[in-house]
Amino acid sequence: GAGVSQSPSNKVTEKGKDVELRCDPISGHTALYWYRQSLGQGLEFLIYFQGNSAPDKSGLPSDRFSAERTGGSVSTLTIQRTQQEDSAVYLCASSPSRANEKLFFGSGTQLSVL
Amino acid sequence: AQSVTQLGSHVSVSEGALVLLRCNYSSSVPPYLFWYVQYPNQGLQLLLKYTSAATLVKGINGFEAEFKKSETSFHLTKPSAHMSDAAEYFCAVLYGGATNKLIFGTGTLLAVQP
Repeated sequence: GAGVSQSPSNKVTEKGKDVELRCDPISGHTALYWYRQSLGQGLEFLIYFQGNSAPDKSGLPSDRFSAERTGGSVSTLTIQRTQQEDSAVYLCASSPSRANEKLFFGSGTQLSVL
Repeated sequence: AQSVTQLGSHVSVSEGALVLLRCNYSSSVPPYLFWYVQYPNQGLQLLLKYTSAATLVKGINGFEAEFKKSETSFHLTKPSAHMSDAAEYFCAVLYGGATNKLIFGTGTLLAVQP
């Protein structure tokens, strides 16, 4: 596609349910990032992929969060047993190789946990 | 610890006035530095980036930023604000090595008054 695509754009779920957020990066981009944007909190780094490998998972808030990337392309962020504090906009970004190049951001997934 | 500090979560200027958005980083070595902008209801996009080629960096829409190593700062400026500049601005620092982690500040919301 022309840009980074994220789905769904909005997700409302009940506390305790699992959710999966999907990111389709720009074709050929090897670097992929997940961030969480909460009101007044800026962008919180979650995880970075280079190809299918995640050299840095230090930003994942808890063991309820996991992410994978397959085929060096699509990435899925999974949140298990969601909590109300997980409510935020989850942003995905990709770049051709490394983050010292321009990051291209998706429009995000607005997650609301009731 | 790696960090990025943006002073002032909200800045308001009059149309035609100078825009100054502050960013300080913590680093023992010159990093890569970025400013991203998020216009209302749009995704984040790159405004400008510093990669050690020149200390004064020019970006899109008349914005520029100056890297000052002695002050560990990378403040964003624009001589004359326009109504269309109203947006949220994020400073980001890339700490390289294996992690290639791009860390964002908490953002500054710029309002431009007529």
